[in-house]
Amino acid sequence: AQSVTQPDIHITVSEGASLELRCNYSYGATPYLFWYVQSPGQGLQLLLKYFSGDTLVQGIKGFEAEFKRSQSSFNLRKPSVHWSDAAEYFCAVGAYPFTGGGNKLTFGTGTQLKVEL
Amino acid sequence: AAGVIQSPRHLIKEKRETATLKCYPIPRHDTVYWYQQGPGQDPQFLISFYEKMQSDKGSIPDRFSAQQFSDYHSELNMSSLELGDSALYFCASSHETSGREYEQYFGPGTRLTVT
Repeated sequence: AQSVTQPDIHITVSEGASLELRCNYSYGATPYLFWYVQSPGQGLQLLLKYFSGDTLVQGIKGFEAEFKRSQSSFNLRKPSVHWSDAAEYFCAVGAYPFTGGGNKLTFGTGTQLKVEL
Repeated sequence: AAGVIQSPRHLIKEKRETATLKCYPIPRHDTVYWYQQGPGQDPQFLISFYEKMQSDKGSIPDRFSAQQFSDYHSELNMSSLELGDSALYFCASSHETSGREYEQYFGPGTRLTVT
């Protein structure tokens, strides 16, 4: 069974500071990894995904994430945080993609990001 | 660009009532996933459909049923509602034709409150 751990429930950073959100996954085969962001009362917006290839992936809004197989990690980073980045961030793992609707996502418990001005 | 549409956005029901949530996937997407997110919780997978057939099932109560129709929209039917069913219900769609990398696009969710 696949699982995701996000060790930090809450993180507070100052605007302009760098950010790293941790994500560890457990999956027996090649994982398909995602980061989603959720603003209060809103849906889930995809920030970036890793499927294969370059282990450093770029996403929207200046975010990037690095896949480290040896550490089973997929940490999200941003060099300079903006106040509008305050939201909840979810890491998710899916099975190796295949046709047929069997690609359910398993989410971590989320990290709530607060940005201090 | 067209997004996933969910209706209604908000729904208030009483215990033991029935609710129907609808999901309209992005055009040409053939797969729909349903997730439930309780207050302060992470989204949990309920059920999925590919080409109008149920493809996977998660922690969906027997009181819930769902289907995908010929136009690919999906409905989640919930009966004998309980207080614990209060949650945000997300639908996500994807295009899972073989040979393509794909991702799930989430709708804005339906917030169900059971009183």
